[in-house]
Formats: sequence, C-alpha cells, structure tokens
Amino acid sequence: EAAVTQSPRSKVAVTGGKVTLSCHQTNNHDYMYWYRQDTGHGLRLIHYSYVADSTEKGDIPDGYKASRPSQENFSLILELASLSQTAVYFCASSDGSQAPLFGEGTRLSVL
Amino acid sequence: GDSVTQTEGLVTLTKGLPVMLNCTYQTTYSPFLFWYVQHLNEAPKLLLKSSTDNKRTEHQGFYATLHKSSSSFHLQKSSVQLSDSALYFCALSPSSGSWQLIFGSGTQLTVMP
Repeated sequence: EAAVTQSPRSKVAVTGGKVTLSCHQTNNHDYMYWYRQDTGHGLRLIHYSYVADSTEKGDIPDGYKASRPSQENFSLILELASLSQTAVYFCASSDGSQAPLFGEGTRLSVL
Repeated sequence: GDSVTQTEGLVTLTKGLPVMLNCTYQTTYSPFLFWYVQHLNEAPKLLLKSSTDNKRTEHQGFYATLHKSSSSFHLQKSSVQLSDSALYFCALSPSSGSWQLIFGSGTQLTVMP
C-alpha cells in the first residue's frame, strides 16, 4: 500500500535552533513536496523535488532548506528556527499522473 | 497569480441535510481541481478531482462539477453524516505533471446529531 511516513510526528524546538523534518515514501514516486499548514491559510508549498539530488522553491521557501538525497527521502531543514515557523508540516509524494498523497504530518512548536 | 477561494470557514449542519461547500479559483491555465478532506489529526486525503469542464465527478457520496465559465468547483452532498465532520480543502493545480497544488483556506464542516 502506498505510504508517506514523516518523522518525528511532533517536535518542540528552541528559537535559533536547527530542526530537521524527515519524510520517507515507499511509492516509487518521483515528486515529493513539503507543505505547511496554518489555521486560516490552508496548506502552502515550501519546497518540492522531482528528482533525487535536486530541489525547487515553492511559494514560501524563506527560512527553509530542503534535501532529496534519494528518491525515497526528502527532508525539510530549518537552520535557525523562529516562532513564526510553529505550524503543522506535511510531506507528500506523487508520480506526476496522480494527485499528491500526503503523510500524517509533523506538529512543530518553536518556543 | 493563481489562487483558490473558499468563502465559508465554518459550516454546521444537522445530520441528513444537504451541503454545498463553495470553491472558486483564478488561473490563466487549464486547471486541475481537487477536493481534499482532513479529519482531525490525520493527513489530507483526496476526495475528488477533475479537469473536465461541465462533467460531474463523484466519490463516497460527494460530488462536484468543474465549471470553467464561472471558475467554480463546489462540493456537494445530498445527505451529510456524522462521519463527514472534517476540514475540506479545495485545491488547484495549474497544470498536470508537477502537481504543485494551491490550496484554499479550508472549510470546517461540523455535522450535528
């Protein structure tokens, strides 16, 4: 069964610290995405990738980096976490012919 | 730029009544439209999708018709159930292939007994 797995499921980070959110898919999909969910804003695209070792900026990339070391893995990196980055983060994957399949999300609290 | 508008933030209904959740969009491309449903603390899951003008698409009792003339893709159900309580997102992909979805702000549907 198609799956997108995110880790950790929740995290508390300190302001100015480094945070890495991980995503793993077993779907053999080329496309992977990171979205952020805030109340009243729906989901917004941060970064995406269509091939290993390459990432692209989405609509709100500032303050975030992404890494795609393999087809299966896609990480989101916050080098200097800030209060405004408190949100729920979703990873998704797609083969390009189907709508993205989402993971369960990571709830990040920056204090 | 491309955008999706969902006018209702919160809809509360009694079980058995019909519902329509509004979705309008703006794009200069020939779009793909989606409805995702998100239950509490779960992942958003695809409910419906369409790229065909004036064709009704249905799934799990929900249905929607893409109307390019009015840039709309409203979600409807004839009789809501308690289990339909969830957050519903309309989303737009300006083109196929990369599926970089643009989401609306979401509508929280609460169904009362």
